[in-house]
Amino acid sequence: AQRVTQPEKLLSVFKGAPVELKCNYSYSGSPELFWYVQYSRQRLQLLLRHISRESIKGFTADLNKGETSFHLKKPFAQEEDSAMYYCALSGKTSGSRLTFGEGTQLTVNP
Amino acid sequence: DARVTQTPRHKVTEMGQEVTMRCQPILGHNTVFWYRQTMMQGLELLAYFRNRAPLDDSGMPKDRFSAEMPDATLATLKIQPSEPRDSAVYFCASGLVLAGGRWGYNEQFFGPGTRLTVL
Repeated sequence: AQRVTQPEKLLSVFKGAPVELKCNYSYSGSPELFWYVQYSRQRLQLLLRHISRESIKGFTADLNKGETSFHLKKPFAQEEDSAMYYCALSGKTSGSRLTFGEGTQLTVNP
Repeated sequence: DARVTQTPRHKVTEMGQEVTMRCQPILGHNTVFWYRQTMMQGLELLAYFRNRAPLDDSGMPKDRFSAEMPDATLATLKIQPSEPRDSAVYFCASGLVLAGGRWGYNEQFFGPGTRLTVL
């Protein structure tokens, strides 16, 4: 079975502070990990995909297979980063369906 | 800029009424998902299709929900009869799954959602 856990439902930081949104997963095999972002009342958007190893809007995420984690990080948070963030996993053994974590609501205070 | 479209964007109905939500996936995508989003449960997968064939609908209450893809450009989600607990935002998403099961790069897109309120 595949599972994604985001331990923090709410995360609040001040502008300019570093931010880390935690994501842990369980999966037998080689998963694909993603971060999606949902701004207020908007559609979900793909933010990062671990295979592409990109930095999007200053965010990065490293897949740590030893710790089965895919934490999302940004060194200096901005107010416009306030949104709901979902970690998601996809795997071949489950027909490539996406399994989402519970989501973390990030609030960046001025 | 190709996008997944969903109609209606908002729906208010009374308990017991039939609700039909529609989704137009991005042309060329072979996988379509239906999700439900609530404050309590977060994002729940209801059903998904690959090349129009249903792969998994275990997330749906079978007695009242049904999902279909009558053609490659339309996916529908029906609730009959609707109940107040069905109130949620329903998202459709489409993507391209390549041979071997990996997602096509930048090929996962969500629609704007249908906000359903059942009174």
